[in-house]
Amino acid sequence: GDSVTQKQGQVTLSEDDFLFINCTYSTTTYPTLFWYVQYPGQGPQLLLKVTTANNKGISRGFEATYDKGTTSFHLQKASVQESDSAVYFCALVHIASSSFSKLVFGQGTSLSVVP
Amino acid sequence: GPKVLQIPSHQIIDMGQMVTLNCDPVSNHLYFYWYKQILGQQMEFLVNFYNGKVMEKSKLFKDQFSVERPDGSYFTLKIQPTALEDSAVYFCASSPGLGGNTLYFGAGTRLSVL
Repeated sequence: GDSVTQKQGQVTLSEDDFLFINCTYSTTTYPTLFWYVQYPGQGPQLLLKVTTANNKGISRGFEATYDKGTTSFHLQKASVQESDSAVYFCALVHIASSSFSKLVFGQGTSLSVVP
Repeated sequence: GPKVLQIPSHQIIDMGQMVTLNCDPVSNHLYFYWYKQILGQQMEFLVNFYNGKVMEKSKLFKDQFSVERPDGSYFTLKIQPTALEDSAVYFCASSPGLGGNTLYFGAGTRLSVL
């Protein structure tokens, strides 16, 4: 079945550091890929999504490229701020023409940015 | 942006009792979901629902679980009877369509089964 893997459980950075969060996926078809962000006490909210292979999604300084060759969708940001501290989930939707699709999440990466 | 409301935010219940979690989805959305999250870990899919029917459910959606949305009111998740392992945060989500459509999540209901 479809799966998403995030190997980093926790990342701690200083303000203005470069952020890289690893995400790889496994699916039999061409999914839509997402990054969701979850702040404490809230539900996940969409950060960015990419529907087409080799395209890049950009939002609020974050970016991720849909790499079909390496089946990856790593999240990057050039300069993090304390307000970026949250849990980041990589996710995919398996687009099936006839069946009802669901969002499959990775394990999540908790980002802490210290001043 | 679109808001999904979940009521209550926290529910404490004794093992074996029934509990109903309520979700008010985005008004023009047609597809509804429940997810389970234990202690800030991975979001696990439970069930999705469309046109009055369960379309797909996971192994986590035990026989004690049921969902419904009577007459366009709240989308509910009922657990009867509850077990200790049901303690988690339950997130409701809705989306306007299938496939690559974005899911909008509520803030979650923290269920504590004692």
